[in-house]
Amino acid sequence: QKEVEQNSGPLSVPEGAIASLNCTYSDRGSQSFFWYRQYSGKSPELIMSIYSNGDKEDGRFTAQLNKASQYVSLLIRDSQPSDSATYLCAPANQGGKLIFGQGTELSVKP
Amino acid sequence: SAVISQKPSRDICQRGTSLTIQCQVDSQVTMMFWYRQQPGQSLTLIATANQGSEATYESGFVIDKFPISRPNLTFSTLTVSNMSPEDSSIYLCSVEVNGLNTEAFFGQGTRLTVV
Repeated sequence: QKEVEQNSGPLSVPEGAIASLNCTYSDRGSQSFFWYRQYSGKSPELIMSIYSNGDKEDGRFTAQLNKASQYVSLLIRDSQPSDSATYLCAPANQGGKLIFGQGTELSVKP
Repeated sequence: SAVISQKPSRDICQRGTSLTIQCQVDSQVTMMFWYRQQPGQSLTLIATANQGSEATYESGFVIDKFPISRPNLTFSTLTVSNMSPEDSSIYLCSVEVNGLNTEAFFGQGTRLTVV
């Protein structure tokens, strides 16, 4: 079992729709969770962090965390073509190091 | 966040040679890391750069191949030694600004091609 697994892409959604990105992790000791966005040829950019069970909203982005299920997700509302990128899920392990998933490529079609 | 300057941004190197990548941060940070991102892959942690002591390497990475320096709290270097085409990757410097929450930010990366 991989330490961090994300839903396989590419994920294609029409402009204005909700994009749902999912992630499961194996380390029950993880307490901090991050979502990064990476445009092609660019470095990862931190877009969301979440530390407690439940939802955290920031603009069009909502992160959801369920530690009992070892599951974290990212919802993007009103998706825009500019949201087209690879999204990386990164829990921090008990040592405080980020463990990255393989990423989900999102394509938002106009 | 922090402003992270990484250079060179890209390079093409001959096999058998070495390349040193520099990472400069605009503020003092506790934690600095080096990652590798192979083509089409996600990020893999190479090592944690420790100020004033030897870097801590992850499984599969060794100091002889990837020597790291961290002379102060704002600067680090990663050297890729005795390069082969398999070392062709993007190398990324990362810093944690808030040690409690492990939020990490990345430099723009160094795209290395070994020929």
